[in-house]
Amino acid sequence: GENVEQHPSTLSVQEGDSAVIKCTYSDSASNYFPWYKQELGKGPQLIIDIRSNVGEKKDQRIAVTLNKTAKHFSLHITETQPEDSAVYFCAASIVSNFGNEKLTFGTGTRLTIIP
Amino acid sequence: SAVISQKPSRDICQRGTSLTIQCQVDSQVTMMFWYRQQPGQSLTLIATANQGSEATYESGFVIDKFPISRPNLTFSTLTVSNMSPEDSSIYLCSAARTTWGYNEQFFGPGTRLTVL
Repeated sequence: GENVEQHPSTLSVQEGDSAVIKCTYSDSASNYFPWYKQELGKGPQLIIDIRSNVGEKKDQRIAVTLNKTAKHFSLHITETQPEDSAVYFCAASIVSNFGNEKLTFGTGTRLTIIP
Repeated sequence: SAVISQKPSRDICQRGTSLTIQCQVDSQVTMMFWYRQQPGQSLTLIATANQGSEATYESGFVIDKFPISRPNLTFSTLTVSNMSPEDSSIYLCSAARTTWGYNEQFFGPGTRLTVL
């Protein structure tokens, strides 16, 4: 089955600086890669995703890049703000003709923005 | 996105009892899932809730312990049966909606369960 590794487990950055979280996956058939943000006491929130037919996707201050050859993808947050502090999870899945197979999640990164 | 609500939001239960968690989605979705998340840990898929048929369970999870129902396209329940302290966890409902051939998956707020 799919295995997703995520690094780092914790990350502290100064407000205004950039943060990068990296994930690697094992199954070359995986073709859908979402990122979730989980704040304390809440469920995970989908913040951005990328399909395997593109290499990069941006949405305001967040961006995700995908390297299919190396089987890794990354989340980039620029101009970080205190409200970006949360736990971030990457995930991978294979989209079949019947819809997504299950998501396999990374172990999470606790991001702390230092004012 | 889909808005997902769960009831109860939290509960404290005695060993040996059962708790049923309800999940309601504000619109029809293609798939619904149940996850477990230990504090500070990642998400572990318990099962896929199939409408009108038996749920599909992941390795390590069985129907007798975690019976699941999904009577329609917007509602599902998860029962945690014969609870022990090891069942203390956050239980998350998830729903997937097809967008351009991909199922974007959204999560409910979770149910925090403590078993004494």
